[in-house]
Amino acid sequence: AQTVTQSQPEMSVQEAETVTLSCTYDTSESDYYLFWYKQPPSRQMILVIRQEAYKQQNATENRFSVNFQKAAKSFSLKISDSQLGDAAMYFCAYRSATTSGTYKYIFGTGTRLKVLA
Amino acid sequence: DSGVTQTPKHLITATGQRVTLRCSPRSGDLSVYWYQQSLDQGLQFLIQYYNGEERAKGNILERFSAQQFPDLHSELNLSSLELGDSALYFCASSVGETGMSPQHFGDGTRLSIL
Repeated sequence: AQTVTQSQPEMSVQEAETVTLSCTYDTSESDYYLFWYKQPPSRQMILVIRQEAYKQQNATENRFSVNFQKAAKSFSLKISDSQLGDAAMYFCAYRSATTSGTYKYIFGTGTRLKVLA
Repeated sequence: DSGVTQTPKHLITATGQRVTLRCSPRSGDLSVYWYQQSLDQGLQFLIQYYNGEERAKGNILERFSAQQFPDLHSELNLSSLELGDSALYFCASSVGETGMSPQHFGDGTRLSIL
């Protein structure tokens, strides 16, 4: 069975600094998607960035980038130039890449990010 | 207000019982997601329905089941309840089916098993 592990329950970063959130996963599948979601106090779950497992290039979205190590099954999120609005709960998630039927969708337990002014 | 409505807000019941939690998604959203949040396990994704069909599964117990009706509201059924099932159950809805579009969460149903 697939698992997703976020070993950092809470992280803090100074405004304008860089922080890295860790995520490891376990799967026997070769094709899948990985996501980082942000959940602010409003509880809306927002997609921050996604990575297709077949792509070697690390995904980047503005100040957010990932370090995807497929062999190590590691998927960390780097936030550069942290802003107060980045404070939220961050979830790492795995989704199987099946094209039909039901896909597996597994979340980590989350990392609460605090941004200090 | 997220536009997602969950009922009831609180539910207290005993071990071995069965309960049904209800969720009405935001207008226009076709996907409904169910999550369980407990102090020791954090947020756990249970199951997703898209336009009436099961679309994704997490680590949902066999004692739990869900369905989405033609009017797109969804129900989560929990049976043979155990003390460990005490948690906050969230429903979320989104436009898309693949987890790419924002998910809007309801206020949750707090389930207490005595």
